[in-house]
This record gives sequence, structure tokens and C-alpha cells, in this order.
Amino acid sequence: NAGVTQTPKFQVLKTGQSMTLQCAQDMNHEYMSWYRQDPGMGLRLIHYSVGAGITDQGEVPNGYNVSRSTTEDFPLRLLSAAPSQTSVYFCASSYSGVSHSGNTIYFGEGSWLTVV
Amino acid sequence: AQSVSQHNHHVILSEAASLELGCNYSYGGTVNLFWYVQYPGQHLQLLLKYFSGDPLVKGIKGFEAEFIKSKFSFNLRKPSVQWSDTAEYFCAVNAMEYGNKLVFGAGTILRVKS
Repeated sequence: NAGVTQTPKFQVLKTGQSMTLQCAQDMNHEYMSWYRQDPGMGLRLIHYSVGAGITDQGEVPNGYNVSRSTTEDFPLRLLSAAPSQTSVYFCASSYSGVSHSGNTIYFGEGSWLTVV
Repeated sequence: AQSVSQHNHHVILSEAASLELGCNYSYGGTVNLFWYVQYPGQHLQLLLKYFSGDPLVKGIKGFEAEFIKSKFSFNLRKPSVQWSDTAEYFCAVNAMEYGNKLVFGAGTILRVKS
């Protein structure tokens, strides 16, 4: 198993550009999520999905879109990048939601995004 | 409001010193508790987790944490740190009443001097 795979690892964008961060998992996990990590603020949940076709907003969803057309993939789209979106982004997955049966969340390696 | 508090943002210790990182949360009811570690330039890795049972949980690399329900705390401990423990440590809480969301603390950066 490759686990949780994120691409790209590094990206520089100009303000106003759009881009998609890719996330794929090969563990047949139902639950997938996107976090952003900023100094002194820990990880904050952007969007999450409990299964194919189902997505929901997290703590900081503005400026981001997601879709879940397959179980494996959960792309994160920045519609019009802003400097405030400069951050490290982590995709995560688990067999089901953390609140069910005690399954662990697995994280990808992170995507470093800079918006200039 | 949902809240996970980590008391110290930066901790500096010498090798062989004992470590305790504080974590408090503000949820009532049933909680699942985690400590994650992020080594420089790497992704998050699970250190240990508590779902139920013995409130003293042992994790990898000699770490342990104790769940004290009355204090809403889940402090991380290690009797003797090593230089390789230099990393950022995150406490995370999943409260049943909030479904599948995992809420993280702000993180504690640990630097161990050799």
C-alpha cells in the first residue's frame, strides 16, 4: 500500500490563480479530509468527506472546494489563490470516521503552498 | 466552542531530561484522544491514542499519556528524552458529539539539546 499520497509537494502560485491539490489513498478508506497547518495554530480542518459523493465543510472552508467522485480521490481546489492561503496542506484518511470503532487517521506527507 | 489547548508552544530540554507536555480540551461526553508527532520536514505520525479502557496509554518510542477525565486532560510524558525527539507535538481530540471532526491543538515545538 502507498498509503495517502499528495501532489504536488511544493507549489508557488500568483494571487488569483487557481490550482488543485491532489490526494489519493489506496486503503479503501471511507473518510478523507484536508487540513491546513499554520505556525502557532496547529492543524485546522478545511473540508472532509465520509464517503464517495458526500462532502462537508470543516473549520476554515472559505476559498476552497472539494469533491469526492471516487473512494480513492479527494482533490482540494483553490478557486482564486490569496496570500492568506500560504500554508502547508495535509490530506488524511481513515477507514471510517474517527468516532467509529477507534480507527486511526493516516496523513499524507504534506503540500507546501506559497501564494505571492 | 471546540477547544484543545496545549500549554507550551516551545520547550527546550537537555538530553535525558523528563518531558511532560500538557493538553486540555473543553468537550463534555465521550472523547477520543491522540498525540501526533511531526519531525522536521515530515508528515504527522501517530504517537499514541486513547479510546477507552486503561487511562494510561503507552505509545511508540517510549512515550505515554494519561487521560484524566476529571481534569479534561491528556498529558504526554517521556521519562528521558533524546536528541531525536526534537519535533513538533500535536494533541488532537475527537468528541463524539461533533461526529467525525478531529480538532488539533496549536502544537508544542520540542527542542532537545545534545
